[in-house]
Amino acid sequence: AQRVTQPEKLLSVFKGAPVELKCNYSYSGSPELFWYVQYSRQRLQLLLRHISRESIKGFTADLNKGETSFHLKKPFAQEEDSAMYYCALSTNAGKSTFGDGTTLTVKP
Amino acid sequence: GAGVSQTPSNKVTEKGKYVELRCDPISGHTALYWYRQSLGQGPEFLIYFQGTGAADDSGLPNDRFFAVRPEGSVSTLKIQRTERGDSAVYLCASSKTGQVAGDEQFFGPGTRLTVL
Repeated sequence: AQRVTQPEKLLSVFKGAPVELKCNYSYSGSPELFWYVQYSRQRLQLLLRHISRESIKGFTADLNKGETSFHLKKPFAQEEDSAMYYCALSTNAGKSTFGDGTTLTVKP
Repeated sequence: GAGVSQTPSNKVTEKGKYVELRCDPISGHTALYWYRQSLGQGPEFLIYFQGTGAADDSGLPNDRFFAVRPEGSVSTLKIQRTERGDSAVYLCASSKTGQVAGDEQFFGPGTRLTVL
């Protein structure tokens, strides 16, 4: 069975500091990994996905198959990055497994 | 264009009652998903439709839960004999094809169900 673990429930950094949100997964095959974000009073939305190898709003994430991790990073956090972040894994069409999320607070 | 919509936004019911939650996906999206999110947890997969048929219903917790999508567009999640443990936010999402693992899912605002 697949599983996604986000070890930090809460993460707080100062504006301009680097930020890393951790995500570890368990799956024996080759999963597709995603990061979703939910800003205050907004719906859940896709931030980035491994398959696209893109950088969105300055965030990047690298899939490390050896460590089964997909950590989300940004070199200089902004106050508007404060939100709830979910890591998710999809092993086939349709079903996605989500972590329990990390609440990021960027302090001025 | 219009995103995924869900009605009602809030539903309060009594233990043992029947409820229906509705989801309107983005027009043209063939795949539709239902998730349940309990407080402090991430979304938990319930069921996935490809067109009119349920392609994967492995996440439905028991036979009190049922979902339909008769015309391949709107979907209804039905919960019979509700229990207090069913209280959660029920999320709906849709994607263009749902046939590749990297397909982006677009989420609705959710329905908050409270069972008293």
